[in-house]
Amino acid sequence: EVQLLESGGGLVQPGGSLRLSCAASGFTFSNYALSWVRQAPGKGLEWVSAIIGSGGSTYYADSVKGRFTISRDDSKNLLYLQMNSLRVDDTAIYYCAKQTGTTVKYSLHYWGQGTLVTVSS
Amino acid sequence: QSVLTQPPSASGTPGQRVTISCSGSSSNIGSNYVYWYQHLPGTAPKLLIYNNNQRPSGVPDRFSGSKSGTSTSLAISGLRSEDEADYYCATWDDSLSVWVFGGGTKLTVL
Repeated sequence: EVQLLESGGGLVQPGGSLRLSCAASGFTFSNYALSWVRQAPGKGLEWVSAIIGSGGSTYYADSVKGRFTISRDDSKNLLYLQMNSLRVDDTAIYYCAKQTGTTVKYSLHYWGQGTLVTVSS
Repeated sequence: QSVLTQPPSASGTPGQRVTISCSGSSSNIGSNYVYWYQHLPGTAPKLLIYNNNQRPSGVPDRFSGSKSGTSTSLAISGLRSEDEADYYCATWDDSLSVWVFGGGTKLTVL
């Protein structure tokens, strides 16, 4: 059974940093692309970033490009999102999602329960 | 403003059939698979439809998806109270190299 468990969320001041983690199990981690998707309060789902299977190519939404960095540790089955220069409008629940292949353009098939990031002074 | 356009709301009575539309462009819906997600606040989004019209195991056949050109739709037949949720279409955009989501449609079962 595929399981994704996000952690690392919390309260941070504007301009601060936070690193989210997503622990995965139930599949061969290195074979699959992974994404982060967020939902701000009262808003819809917004894709944030993706990384291909076995690392390498990464992709970002314009809203986070240059501030967020996605990475993965295939030896530990962990996905990360390093978030720097956080802004109030980054406040959201952040979900990690497993895709159906090594490339990023196919199905966000399985999702974690999410971790809440609150950016406020 | 979302790249994919969905109606903000839809409604129906139990047993009815409801359709939710989603429109995009040639660089996203027109050239890639479309996916539909059901989302209840505070829970993990659930994949309802993948590859335009395929249902993952466990998703009732009351849910169906279709795609034509740069538009897609989700149909829910035999509406049930537990179908009340937010529904999102999504796909990859080849021009932007990003995933794009519709703004979401809140389905109310009257």
